[in-house]
Amino acid sequence: RKEVEQDPGPFNVPEGATVAFNCTYSNSASQSFFWYRQDCRKEPKLLMSVYSSGNEDGRFTAQLNRASQYISLLIRDSKLSDSATYLCVVLDRLVMDSNYQLIWGAGTKLIIKP
Amino acid sequence: DVKVTQSSRYLVKRTGEKVFLECVQDMDHENMFWYRQDPGLGLRLIYFSYDVKMKEKGDIPEGYSVSREKKERFSLILESASTNQTSMYLCASSLLGGPNTGELFFGEGSRLTVL
Repeated sequence: RKEVEQDPGPFNVPEGATVAFNCTYSNSASQSFFWYRQDCRKEPKLLMSVYSSGNEDGRFTAQLNRASQYISLLIRDSKLSDSATYLCVVLDRLVMDSNYQLIWGAGTKLIIKP
Repeated sequence: DVKVTQSSRYLVKRTGEKVFLECVQDMDHENMFWYRQDPGLGLRLIYFSYDVKMKEKGDIPEGYSVSREKKERFSLILESASTNQTSMYLCASSLLGGPNTGELFFGEGSRLTVL
């Protein structure tokens, strides 16, 4: 079982619509959570962190559900420029170790259509 | 502005060749990482480094080695390239506490094809 799972999509969404997708993680002790955005043939870039209380940045809202072990990303009033792959990232503290590691999902592809 | 530069965007090599992928960051970051990205898989960590001359194996180090002689430069070496190493290679850097904040800064990637 993959440690971080995402629906690969693509999600085809009309411009102006609201779209949401989830990411599930397997380690209940995971510490921190993030969403990255990756445009086609470009590098990933941090979109937002996901806080326990949920957080909002403009049209983007991220939520964490620890009980069910998933995080979500909601995009309101979608724009053509939102078309990208959204990567879910989980930070795990390694057992018996002071190190940490970032576990990456494979991404959800979003296509916004005019 | 934050800048991570990878020396080659596209490379084509033959099986058995030695391959060097260079990465330079201008942000004075302590941490540097090499990942590979393949379709349908998440980014997989090959090696990382927290300091000059220091390196740690990631999840898939086999067939790779790294070098960090200077703080700003982290090189990935494929001693004898194989076809299963055809992939997109991404270099990233972060501040010492950076991975705890989840903020990695990536280069544009090096797409390697091994024939």
